Amino acid sequence: DAMVIQNPRYQVTQFGKPVTLSCSQTLNHNVMYWYQQKSSQAPKLLFHYYDKDFNNEADTPDNFQSRRPNTSFCFLDIRSPGLGDAAMYLCATSRLTGAYNEQFFGPGTRLTVL
Amino acid sequence: EDQVTQSPEALRLQEGESSSLNCSYTVSGLRGLFWYRQDPGKGPEFLFTLYSAGEEKEKERLKATLTKKESFLHITAPKPEDSATYLCAVQASYNFNKFYFGSGTKLNVKP
Repeated sequence: DAMVIQNPRYQVTQFGKPVTLSCSQTLNHNVMYWYQQKSSQAPKLLFHYYDKDFNNEADTPDNFQSRRPNTSFCFLDIRSPGLGDAAMYLCATSRLTGAYNEQFFGPGTRLTVL
Repeated sequence: EDQVTQSPEALRLQEGESSSLNCSYTVSGLRGLFWYRQDPGKGPEFLFTLYSAGEEKEKERLKATLTKKESFLHITAPKPEDSATYLCAVQASYNFNKFYFGSGTKLNVKP
């Protein structure tokens, strides 16, 4: 089945220790998104790639960066995690062509910062 | 400012007790409105896309409808397995790369 895969599902890191979360997709969608979701809150868009074009949200901290080496993979790098960065990180993809705009989400990575 | 508001924040129903969830939006120029189901600790699962006022979509006990300023997710004779958080997202025609999410309605269906 075509899907969005995130690894790891759970990540524990120490305050200030860099961490990388990964996302891969078999849907061949051109757009990939990274969201941060805290408990009982709406997913908050961090950035997205439209093909190779990177789009950063104005309020995304510089501490968060992303890479998309090819169509299938996208990475979220948190350079110096703080306690406030503990959250669920969701990767999503979308085709954004014609009538097919819905996003498909991965299972998420739960990040704990000690 | 583009906004999506969902109500109620939480809803407790008895099994079989039908109800509706609301999603109101202020995005001008709607390209699409999307409903998702999210179980605890998991990513959102896509349910429906609605594109124009008057449109309706159905899946099992769920029916989504759309007007010019809001959408409803009707749940008919819910079962405990319908318990989840239901998220609404809108896509604006002038910036269709982005999706604006509501905070969700947490539904709890008691047997």
